[in-house]
Amino acid sequence: LAKTTQPISMDSYEGQEVNITCSHNNIATNDYITWYQQFPSQGPRFIIQGYKTKVTNEVASLFIPADRKSSTLSLPRVSLSDTAVYYCLVGGGTDKLIFGTGTRLQVFP
Amino acid sequence: DAGVIQSPRHEVTEMGQEVTLRCKPISGHNSLFWYRQTMMRGLELLIYFNNNVPIDDSGMPEDRFSAKMPNASFSTLKIQPSEPRDSAVYFCASSLKAGRTYEQYFGPGTRLTVT
Repeated sequence: LAKTTQPISMDSYEGQEVNITCSHNNIATNDYITWYQQFPSQGPRFIIQGYKTKVTNEVASLFIPADRKSSTLSLPRVSLSDTAVYYCLVGGGTDKLIFGTGTRLQVFP
Repeated sequence: DAGVIQSPRHEVTEMGQEVTLRCKPISGHNSLFWYRQTMMRGLELLIYFNNNVPIDDSGMPEDRFSAKMPNASFSTLKIQPSEPRDSAVYFCASSLKAGRTYEQYFGPGTRLTVT
């Protein structure tokens, strides 16, 4: 299972774009990169998943360089409600989900 | 769909008592997962089922923990006897299939306090 490393915490202000980078140097060929978001007192929620290049949905974008050894979750124009913990996970096939410590994002007014 | 349903939402019990946590996965999902979250250890996978069959229980802490899935719409996680170190939030999640490429939907969790 590929190990991931991401910052423990980040601060931002409302309206700013937030980029959270995750490194996964040992990513395997069949591994996907998935991000989950967790609000206090709630279970994690799927945000986005990708294999290579760029993926965009209604809440975020995921940028994956050609070597796939890192990935960046981009949250456009964050609001106070985006304050949460963000988890980067790497794996594929029948691998089980292994959550790391995540990145605690704090958005200030 | 109502999402993953867990009960109870909060449970306070005394050491030595039996605790049973319940989960109803999303209809049509074939995989079910039990996680435990604490400040010290983060979010840990305890066990997961595929088509009601336990696939990986390597995360179950010890013999005091057991999980069952008698049918596709119901699962239980039992702790007997409970200990204070079992205090945590227990999440149940379900997905269409097992594997990281399939989105997991988490329930609201059960906050367990063992005194």
